[in-house]
Amino acid sequence: GNSVTQMEGPVTLSEEAFLTINCTYTATGYPSLFWYVQYPGEGLQLLLKATKADDKGSNKGFEATYRKETTSFHLEKGSVQVSDSAVYFCALSDRRGNTPLVFGKGTRLSVIA
Amino acid sequence: NAGVTQTPKFRVLKTGQSMTLLCAQDMNHEYMYWYRQDPGMGLRLIHYSVGEGTTAKGEVPDGYNVSRLKKQNFLLGLESAAPSQTSVYFCASSYSTGTGHTEAFFGQGTRLTVV
Repeated sequence: GNSVTQMEGPVTLSEEAFLTINCTYTATGYPSLFWYVQYPGEGLQLLLKATKADDKGSNKGFEATYRKETTSFHLEKGSVQVSDSAVYFCALSDRRGNTPLVFGKGTRLSVIA
Repeated sequence: NAGVTQTPKFRVLKTGQSMTLLCAQDMNHEYMYWYRQDPGMGLRLIHYSVGEGTTAKGEVPDGYNVSRLKKQNFLLGLESAAPSQTSVYFCASSYSTGTGHTEAFFGQGTRLTVV
């Protein structure tokens, strides 16, 4: 079945450091890929997405590239801020109908000033 | 623009009590989901629905029932609450374009404590 594996946290970085959160997936066909973010006390919200190989999703300084050859969708940001502290979830959407979205377990990021 | 609304936001139950969590979406989405989120466990899918009148089991369905009588509503029921069901519950909705799901939209969550 479909699955998403992302690096375990927590990840603690200093402000302005470079961030990478690894995500790899297993899926049949060509899934759509997503990164969601969950700020403390809130629900998940979409951060970025990519729907086909080599697409790059970007938002708020975050980027992720859909790599079909390595089945990966790593999240990166060049300079993190304290306000980026949150839990990040990688997810995939199977192109077959009637199958639910699949989420990774989440990676908690803490950014310290 | 309400999006996905969950009620209640907080609840404390005694072991053995029953309750229903309500999820409502105003985006005309076909797909709706119930997840639970526990520390260190990420999101786990309880049940989901691919359309009005349909439901399916997810990863952790035991102890829960669901109903989707109207397209905009997805109810999650606990018939006899247990302390192991203490968690934060999230509802989400999405739709399919034929080439895959669009993004999922999440509610703000319901924090349930069973004592």
